Amino acid sequence: ETGVTQTPRHLVMGMTNKKSLKCEQHLGHNAMYWYKQSAKKPLELMFVYNFKEQTENNSVPSRFSPECPNSSHLFLHLHTLQPEDSALYLCASSQVTSSGELFFGEGSRLTVL
Amino acid sequence: GDSVTQMEGPVTLSEEAFLTINCTYTATGYPSLFWYVQYPGEGLQLLLKATKADDKGSNKGFEATYRKETTSFHLEKGSVQVSDSAVYFCAPQTGTYKYIFGTGTRLKVLA
Repeated sequence: ETGVTQTPRHLVMGMTNKKSLKCEQHLGHNAMYWYKQSAKKPLELMFVYNFKEQTENNSVPSRFSPECPNSSHLFLHLHTLQPEDSALYLCASSQVTSSGELFFGEGSRLTVL
Repeated sequence: GDSVTQMEGPVTLSEEAFLTINCTYTATGYPSLFWYVQYPGEGLQLLLKATKADDKGSNKGFEATYRKETTSFHLEKGSVQVSDSAVYFCAPQTGTYKYIFGTGTRLKVLA
């Protein structure tokens, strides 16, 4: 138990579906992150939120839409995805300091058919 | 730009063997350095960290020393167990929200 909970753990969707991934952290951290982990590729930062304000958006396609209603919750809304979007999506949180470690959830395994 | 280099593996060892996973990085300044581990079917979890030159991070028998001169943070363990089989990530923190992850090194330990 890392204090970061992701749901669902597994998701299968068609290219025309709309779904959402949810992340909740119970650590009192002020920053939350979405990462994408694909086979044979480096872990890829998608979005960062600090106190609900988006601070990073690493040129992510608009079919991925993040939402951070408060400092404990983070969503990733998915629509009209492509098969190459199939991956493990990891949520993380941290307390922003000069050496703040990341706390990761267990990930949501997404398969796009 | 900032980057990290570690072998992809898999590294295959027998139980009780000595482990070294090399990590070198390129970054401006002196980043905090982390090793994360990912067990099958799980997310990443912090294994150890070091925040300044010559610091040694240690946890669960693993150690790594922050070497400023060689910009390296090699991971070592004297005697690996089957339960250490996982993917290991070296990750410099190069900005407030920026951590550089590579593809990780897969370790397989055979009984």
